[in-house]
Amino acid sequence: DVKVTQSSRYLVKRTGEKVFLECVQDMDHENMFWYRQDPGLGLRLIYFSYDVKMKEKGDIPEGYSVSREKKERFSLILESASTNQTSMYLCASSWLPSYEQYFGPGTRLTVT
Amino acid sequence: GIQVEQSPPDLILQEGANSTLRCNFSDSVNNLQWFHQNPWGQLINLFYIPSGTKQNGRLSATTVATERYSLLYISSSQTTDSGVYFCAELNTGNQFYFGTGTSLTVIP
Repeated sequence: DVKVTQSSRYLVKRTGEKVFLECVQDMDHENMFWYRQDPGLGLRLIYFSYDVKMKEKGDIPEGYSVSREKKERFSLILESASTNQTSMYLCASSWLPSYEQYFGPGTRLTVT
Repeated sequence: GIQVEQSPPDLILQEGANSTLRCNFSDSVNNLQWFHQNPWGQLINLFYIPSGTKQNGRLSATTVATERYSLLYISSSQTTDSGVYFCAELNTGNQFYFGTGTSLTVIP
């Protein structure tokens, strides 16, 4: 079975802090994704990566950056957390050629 | 990006009832997936179904790519089926676009 893990289920941070969210997949998938999910807005893509050291902006990249130094690990970085980044963050991975996505359990981030 | 419309937005069922959820797409369907989000927030893969029909236990799905829609059937619903059901499609830029979901509540 594919396993995607995320570093924390719940996280509380203060405004202005630098926040790291980590995602690890164990199936050698090429593609990895970061989404945020907000009530009424559904899932929105922040960034994705189709290879090590490669990244592409999604629909809402502002305020975020990412890092993919190893194939199995994709990190989302909030350089200076703000209250409007309070959300559920979901990581996913997929493999070529099917593009079928597998999700991690999510991280509920609260910024106070 | 692709517009994904899901219906109905909310559904309440008595345990044992059947239901049909629908996704309509504004563009071609090539990599459609159905997910179930449980009450703890985890998104579980149900089907990867770019075309045709698949069945898995009490759940089945049908995608008619030429008409840009997909249906998810839930038969003999159980309380554990409660949650939000999403469909998603991949566009040419390798981005998945999700519908806003159908929130299902199954009451005993």
